[in-house]
Amino acid sequence: EDQVTQSPEALRLQEGESSSLNCSYTVSGLRGLFWYRQDPGKGPEFLFTLYSAGEEKEKERLKATLTKKESFLHITAPKPEDSATYLCAVHTYSGNTPLVFGKGTRLSVIA
Amino acid sequence: EAGVTQFPSHSVIEKGQTVTLRCDPISGHDNLYWYRRVMGKEIKFLLHFVKESKQDESGMPNNRFLAERTGGTYSTLKVQPAELEDSGVYFCASSVGNSYGYTFGSGTRLTVV
Repeated sequence: EDQVTQSPEALRLQEGESSSLNCSYTVSGLRGLFWYRQDPGKGPEFLFTLYSAGEEKEKERLKATLTKKESFLHITAPKPEDSATYLCAVHTYSGNTPLVFGKGTRLSVIA
Repeated sequence: EAGVTQFPSHSVIEKGQTVTLRCDPISGHDNLYWYRRVMGKEIKFLLHFVKESKQDESGMPNNRFLAERTGGTYSTLKVQPAELEDSGVYFCASSVGNSYGYTFGSGTRLTVV
């Protein structure tokens, strides 16, 4: 069964304190890995898609990387407005389920 | 462009009652998806429409759930009769083509008491 595990469940950072969120996956065949941001009371907002090991994508203070077993979302010098839940999801070759999500990491950035 | 609109934003109903959730996708988006997040769990897929046809409904939990998409535009998800375990946040998303960077709505928070 395809599985996505995100860690940590929650992360509290001081403004400017860089860190990384982890998404490890166990799938029969990866077609793509997706990162979303979710604010309270809102739906997930698309950030990145990664397709192959070694690929990297960047957007402002965020950088996503992918290996054969996991993905990292690196946050450089975060600001309070980066506080949100970050979700990882995979699309696989097995079955028909469009996306399999992890539970997410709740990030709080304190000024 | 207008985003994906869902309503109601919140619904509290008693066990055994019927509730209908509605989703208006972005105009021109043929693909429409329903997902659900129950408390403490991850977001899970329910079903996928391409225009008015059900492409994949493998995630629908049981036959108390009925989804329709009239004329390939808006979609409804009816739960009848509702059970306590149906509580959660129901998300709708839409996309042009089979793209997974799709746009989510803000969700409907359903509470069954």
